[in-house]
Formats: sequence, structure tokens, C-alpha cells
Amino acid sequence: EAGVAQSPRYKIIEKRQSVAFWCNPISGHATLYWYQQILGQGPKLLIQFQNNGVVDDSQLPKDRFSAERLKGVDSTLKIQPAKLEDSAVYLCASSLDQGKTYEQYFGPGTRLTVT
Amino acid sequence: GQNIDQPTEMTATEGAIVQINCTYQTSGFNGLFWYQQHAGEAPTFLSYNVLDGLEEKGRFSSFLSRSKGYSYLLLKELQMKDSASYLCAEMDSNYQLIWGAGTKLIIKP
Repeated sequence: EAGVAQSPRYKIIEKRQSVAFWCNPISGHATLYWYQQILGQGPKLLIQFQNNGVVDDSQLPKDRFSAERLKGVDSTLKIQPAKLEDSAVYLCASSLDQGKTYEQYFGPGTRLTVT
Repeated sequence: GQNIDQPTEMTATEGAIVQINCTYQTSGFNGLFWYQQHAGEAPTFLSYNVLDGLEEKGRFSSFLSRSKGYSYLLLKELQMKDSASYLCAEMDSNYQLIWGAGTKLIIKP
């Protein structure tokens, strides 16, 4: 079974530039999560999708971050414009469904450096 | 509010046993997860506890006490490859994970 795929693996941009990350969850997983993990901290949930609908985006900085999962499969996360404090690893995870205690499977992450 | 506490760093010797503690505070609880995260890699699932007691899985065991808001991860027969961060995460009433900052475990020969 293929795992969660993410690209790119690494990205370096200057502040005020834009960047987009892509995620392909495990086939059949209805729930998709985007997390931000700053070095030395645990993951912080940015947004959760159930199929193509948003379940929770309360911690997403909506003035600069956006995410979509148009067909209920792949998802993209965009930052525009980037700030220095956005330097982090962006993890995508998927689970079979929401509302139950399914484990989450993580992709390898995208390490973003904003200079 | 919800707060997950675990030690920042621990050191142990190869072949020994180590216990990593985690405390949580929440008004809703749907289970406690432990994940392992090697440096530069994604977290991988280790264990899930929702009932009190000890769950054993090979060299790793996880314990939960709901009344005390307490869990621990026990690693036996430590190997060098066990050097990693161990993340405690509580599943809240909305079935979302609230993550601790992780415990960095250093294994020395």
C-alpha cells in the first residue's frame, strides 16, 4: 500500500514570496490533515478536510494561508506572502475517516525555509 | 484549556529500559496516542490507549490512567535505532489530536 505522498521535500524562498505544497493521501482515506511543525515542537493542526469539505481550519492564518481539496483526494496548501516565522516542516496526514479513533498516517513532509 | 506535558529530553543506555511520561488535561478524551519521530522524518504510529492499563507490543508498551490524566511509554532492550523523539498526543472530544512537544530520547552505547 502506497503511503502519503508530499512534494516538494524541501523549499527555500524569500519572505513575501509565495509557495505551494502538494499532498496525495493514502487511497480510500477520507480525512486529510495539514500540520505545521516548528523545530522542537509537536505538530500544530492547520486544517482538516473530510472528503472535499473543511472540518476545522480554526488555526489556519487565513490572511496568508489557503488550502483546498477539490476532488476529495489530492490537496494543496499555499502560503502567500510568506513570513520568516513560516519556516517549518509542513506535514500532511490522512486517516480512514473522522469522528473515530483511527490512526493518522503521515507523509515525509516539506521543509520550508523562508529567508 | 488542553495541555500535554512530557519531558524535553531523556538519555538512556543501549540495552536498558526507559519510561517516557506524559500528562494531559482535557474536558473530553477519546484516547492517547504515542508516535515516534526520527530526526527529519514524519511521525509514525506506535500505540493507542483508550482504556486504563498496559498495552504491550514487542519491546514497546504504553500505559494509561484516565483518572490521573497520565500515560507512559516504556521501551525495553533499547537499541541505538530507538534514538528519536517520542510524541504524546491526546484525542479530544472532536476526535482531533492535541500534540505534546515531544521527548527527545538519546541512546548511548
